[in-house]
Amino acid sequence: ELKVEQNPLFLSMQEGKNYTIYCNYSTTSDRLYWYRQDPGKSLESLFVLLSNGAVKQEGRLMASLDTKARLSTLHITAAVHDLSATYFCAVDFMDSNYQLIWGAGTKLIIKP
Amino acid sequence: DADVTQTPRNRITKTGKRIMLECSQTKGHDRMYWYRQDPGLGLRLIYYSFDVKDINKGEISDGYSVSRQAQAKFSLSLESAIPNQTALYFCATSDPKTGGAYNEQFFGPGTRLTVL
Repeated sequence: ELKVEQNPLFLSMQEGKNYTIYCNYSTTSDRLYWYRQDPGKSLESLFVLLSNGAVKQEGRLMASLDTKARLSTLHITAAVHDLSATYFCAVDFMDSNYQLIWGAGTKLIIKP
Repeated sequence: DADVTQTPRNRITKTGKRIMLECSQTKGHDRMYWYRQDPGLGLRLIYYSFDVKDINKGEISDGYSVSRQAQAKFSLSLESAIPNQTALYFCATSDPKTGGAYNEQFFGPGTRLTVL
């Protein structure tokens, strides 16, 4: 079964702290995507990771991909309130006819 | 700006009514998708289309139908709406040819549908 699991599903943290969101997937893939969704809004593409060892950074967010471990991480450095949102990872499996298989999302709340 | 648009943005309807949600895109992408989002359940794929003549069922197609009128237009219909179809609906597009050899999807603003 093609599965994508995120953890934690909910994270409340203080401004200035560091934290990591994890995305595990069930079978081989080297294409993984991270999206951000603000409450009641659409999904915005953050990162596209296309190979083992890929690392992308944008501001206080950094995403990485380990295809051997079937794991991607989204690391938040010195969190600020504006990063409060729900973050989704999605994986592109060959067996899925190029549909994206989505994680359930991690709701991140950053308190001042 | 090349974009994905959805109409209507909000709709309240009654059980048994027929509803159509429309999606248009100016990105020139071949692939289009309809998703449903319920609180705490993430995104679930309803239908997807790789071109005008290629339409496929997704995870939760029962109770829904689609029409791909042109490369740029993909409509979702609820033939007889029921309350558990109350959700946020998103249209998305992708195109590995223009976006590189990957399947990054670009989302419309969403339609909030309430079925009473």
